[in-house]
Amino acid sequence: AQSVTQLDSHVSVSEGTPVLLRCNYSSSYSPSLFWYVQHPNKGLQLLLKYTSAATLVKGINGFEAEFKKSETSFHLTKPSAHMSDAAEYFCVVSDQSDYKLSFGAGTTVTVRA
Amino acid sequence: SAVISQKPSRDICQRGTSLTIQCQVDSQVTMMFWYRQQPGQSLTLIATANQGSEATYESGFVIDKFPISRPNLTFSTLTVSNMSPEDSSIYLCSVDPAGETQYFGPGTRLLVL
Repeated sequence: AQSVTQLDSHVSVSEGTPVLLRCNYSSSYSPSLFWYVQHPNKGLQLLLKYTSAATLVKGINGFEAEFKKSETSFHLTKPSAHMSDAAEYFCVVSDQSDYKLSFGAGTTVTVRA
Repeated sequence: SAVISQKPSRDICQRGTSLTIQCQVDSQVTMMFWYRQQPGQSLTLIATANQGSEATYESGFVIDKFPISRPNLTFSTLTVSNMSPEDSSIYLCSVDPAGETQYFGPGTRLLVL
């Protein structure tokens, strides 16, 4: 069985400061890991994915995430937050055997001017 | 990647009625998925709808309540039957063109009165 725990339900940052969204996973297989973003009244957009290649993954809009197997973590970071980063972020795991995704509960990011 | 459209984008329905949601993809894909996102919640997989086979439902979801059609490789429908206010959610379809990453449609926002 696979599961994801997002450690923060809500993160608030000031514009121009770093963003850190924490995610821990559990998987019986070599997992694929994803971060998706959902802006208000929009669908889900893929930010980045890890599929057993480089452990530091760069995504769109300046986001990156580091896969740490020893810590079973896949934290998402961005050096400098922008107002447009205000959204809901989901950490997602797939065990690649049946292509099903397991979603975390989500982290709401607010950006203060 | 894939470009996915859904119809309707939103609807308000009376309890006891049914709504059929359409999902259209701009390329042929084998794997298609339907998700539900209840208010303020994360995404839950309803079923996997692969062309050429019957849809496979997750625990807690049944065909009588959520019948799915997959007539070809670019289209699928999900029907929400005999609706109650508890069915008020966002319903999203997704596709996995290469068996490694899911791409999501914009969602259908359903309110049941």
